[in-house]
This record gives sequence, structure tokens and C-alpha cells, in this order.
Amino acid sequence: GQNIDQPTEMTATEGAIVQINCTYQTSGFNGLFWYQQHAGEAPTFLSYNVLDGLEEKGRFSSFLSRSKGYSYLLLKELQMKDSASYLCAALDSNYQLIWGAGTKLIIKP
Amino acid sequence: ETGVTQTPRHLVMGMTNKKSLKCEQHLGHNAMYWYKQSAKKPLELMFVYSLEERVENNSVPSRFSPECPNSSHLFLHLHTLQPEDSALYLCASSQLAGGDYNEQFFGPGTRLTVL
Repeated sequence: GQNIDQPTEMTATEGAIVQINCTYQTSGFNGLFWYQQHAGEAPTFLSYNVLDGLEEKGRFSSFLSRSKGYSYLLLKELQMKDSASYLCAALDSNYQLIWGAGTKLIIKP
Repeated sequence: ETGVTQTPRHLVMGMTNKKSLKCEQHLGHNAMYWYKQSAKKPLELMFVYSLEERVENNSVPSRFSPECPNSSHLFLHLHTLQPEDSALYLCASSQLAGGDYNEQFFGPGTRLTVL
């Protein structure tokens, strides 16, 4: 079957760095997405990786290893507004998104 | 209006009621989606419409009935729901895939409570 695993909850300190891991098993693979979802709001797109390596976008970076079925989202210089759920989703061979349950990130001052 | 809008934002209904959720996208996309989001569970894809035709129906109970009258509008008609149907219902839209990734844009969701 198809499956996405990511930690349920993580806690980090304002100004620090946090890495949220995601492993996936899908029928075919056409890329890996990360979305951010604040409580009570819509998920918003953060990043997309389809080739191995690190993609950097300001304070956020996303990494992909296709051979390991593994990705991570790296958040630097954490701010209180980064408190949110982070959703990992893999695009399968039918271009359908397979979603993880999300990682709730709590930022403490 | 920009992006993806959903109405109502909150809905409380009894098990015998009939109600409809509405979604509208202003992005010129040609695919639309209904998702169910329950606490601590992955997003559950319910229905996919591509070029106004339903292409995906993931074993959703018949008490949920989608309608896509055109590429900008999507409805979810609800009747005789159960308390376990209480959840956040998200609408999303995207461009059809085919050599390019289909980033999905989400609406703010309808928080549904079934009493």
C-alpha cells in the first residue's frame, strides 16, 4: 500500500533550527510536497522536490532522497509564526497526492 | 475574490438535514478536489473533478454527493450524515498534471459538525 510517515509533534525554540522528516512509500513517484497549515486555515504550499538534493527558499529548505524514500523540511531562525502543522505529500504515478498526517510544530520563546 | 473560496466556513447540521458546501476557484485551474480532514489523520481525498468530469471517487458513502457545474465551481451535497462525518472539508484546485507537478491551492475549509 501507499504510506507517508512523519512525526506527530515536535517542539523547538524561537531562533533555533528544526528538521521535520518524512518517509514515503508510493506506487511510482512524481515528486514530494511540503505544505504549511496554521490552525483553522488552509494548507499553503511550501516546496516541491522531484530530484535528489536540497532546495533552499529563504529560511525554509527541503531535501529529497529518492533512493531512500525520504525527505525533510528544514526551518531556520524559527519564529513564533512558524508554529503550525507541516504536511508531507508524495505524488504517485497517477499524479494523485498521498498525504501524511502532518507534524504539529510548537515554537517556544 | 482571489484564490479558492469556500462557503459556509462553519456548518452545524442534524443527521436528517440536507445541506450543501460550495467551493469557487478564481485561478483558471481545470481540476478540483474535495478533501476531508479529521484531527491527527492524513487528508482524505474524497472526489476529483478534471475538466468537469469526476475522475476519482475514493469509496465515499453515498450520503456525500459532489457536483461540478463548471471548471470554477464545485459543490458537495450532504444528506443524512452521521456524527463521525464531523470534520474540516477542504476544497482545492490545480492545473492538470502531465509533465509538470500539480501544486494544489486550498480553500479555507468548512468546519462541519453533525449533531
